[in-house]
Amino acid sequence: KNEVEQSPQNLTAQEGEFITINCSYSVGISALHWLQQHPGGGIVSLFMLSSGKKKHGRLIATINIQEKHSSLHITASHPRDSAVYICADPTNTDKLIFGTGTRLQVFP
Amino acid sequence: GAGVSQSPSNKVTEKGKDVELRCDPISGHTALYWYRQSLGQGLEFLIYFQGNSAPDKSGLPSDRFSAERTGGSVSTLTIQRTQQEDSAVYLCASSLARGMSYEQYFGPGTRLTVT
Repeated sequence: KNEVEQSPQNLTAQEGEFITINCSYSVGISALHWLQQHPGGGIVSLFMLSSGKKKHGRLIATINIQEKHSSLHITASHPRDSAVYICADPTNTDKLIFGTGTRLQVFP
Repeated sequence: GAGVSQSPSNKVTEKGKDVELRCDPISGHTALYWYRQSLGQGLEFLIYFQGNSAPDKSGLPSDRFSAERTGGSVSTLTIQRTQQEDSAVYLCASSLARGMSYEQYFGPGTRLTVT
């Protein structure tokens, strides 16, 4: 059983829609990573957050440490947002445990 | 500035051969991580190095896998007697230091195909 669970697994949206991806984790106690993997395979770190909310452009990440739950929101989605979004739990030892990812496709 | 680089970008090898994958972390980053992403699978942790400390090898799938980091910089992941199930994208990441507060920067990966 994966200790990091994401939902949904697949998501399609029309350009401009508001998108939410959820992540539940079980081990880490103080932080969570959100990563983006483009169709070419490259991985980019989007956020690393330990409390509250972080915003970067149209991306917003929130976390509830007590409930071990985080959400990634994309406002005014665009086709270039199409990618796999992965949350990762750094556990307590720096080793990331990854969720299975959410594949997002945004259509014009 | 230069990011994490990996070489080769693609490697095709015959079953039973040994392969070496290289990672050049961002200069000054003391922590270095190796991950693997098999086709259709999620990412999995393999090994990480922090400074001069003994590496955490707990993610290595078998004793055919080994890694070293020379001079606290470049790292090499070696797979001996490759098997078809070793086919995957091998990703390297580095961070400024060990710890949950430090962002990891990923390289482009090496796609390994074992025929």
